[in-house]
Amino acid sequence: GQSLEQPSEVTAVEGAIVQINCTYQTSGFYGLSWYQQHDGGAPTFLSYNALDGLEETGRFSSFLSRSDSYGYLLLQELQMKDSASYFCAARMDSSYKLIFGSGTRLLVRP
Amino acid sequence: GAVVSQHPSWVICKSGTSVKIECRSLDFQATTMFWYRQFPKQSLMLMATSNEGSKATYEQGVEKDKFLINHASLTLSTLTVTSAHPEDSSFYICSARALDRGGETQYFGPGTRLLVL
Repeated sequence: GQSLEQPSEVTAVEGAIVQINCTYQTSGFYGLSWYQQHDGGAPTFLSYNALDGLEETGRFSSFLSRSDSYGYLLLQELQMKDSASYFCAARMDSSYKLIFGSGTRLLVRP
Repeated sequence: GAVVSQHPSWVICKSGTSVKIECRSLDFQATTMFWYRQFPKQSLMLMATSNEGSKATYEQGVEKDKFLINHASLTLSTLTVTSAHPEDSSFYICSARALDRGGETQYFGPGTRLLVL
């Protein structure tokens, strides 16, 4: 079956850096996306990696290693508003459908 | 940016009734829309892929006769939960793949909370 594993919870201090890992097992793989979801809200797109390496978008960066079936989201200069759930999601085929990971709840403390 | 709306945002209904949820792409055309279900503190589970002008593709374990999907235009997909029961209570979210934006980003609607009594 298809699976994407993430840590369930991460706690960090405001201003710090945190890394959220994602390992995947899928029958096909085109790329890995990251989404942020605040409680009660809809997911919002953060980044997408189709190729190996690091993609940087402001305070957020995402990394992919296809050979290791592994990726991570790096959040720098953490702010209180970054407290949310973060999901990795794999695009498996040409249909563009996404399979979501289990999600990581990030709590940023003062 | 691309905006996707859902209506209604909240539904409370009696067991046995049917509920229709609309998903609209407001400023772009979406040949493909996706429907997800999310239970509290859990991940998003893909239910089906909705393609404009054709039948939806359902994920394994999702009853196509219970969750009717219609994608009649490039900006509207509807999900109808037929004969809803309390176990169908959940957060239903749609997303749309933009036709002219590379397709690697799905834009999500704000979601619809369904409570079946």
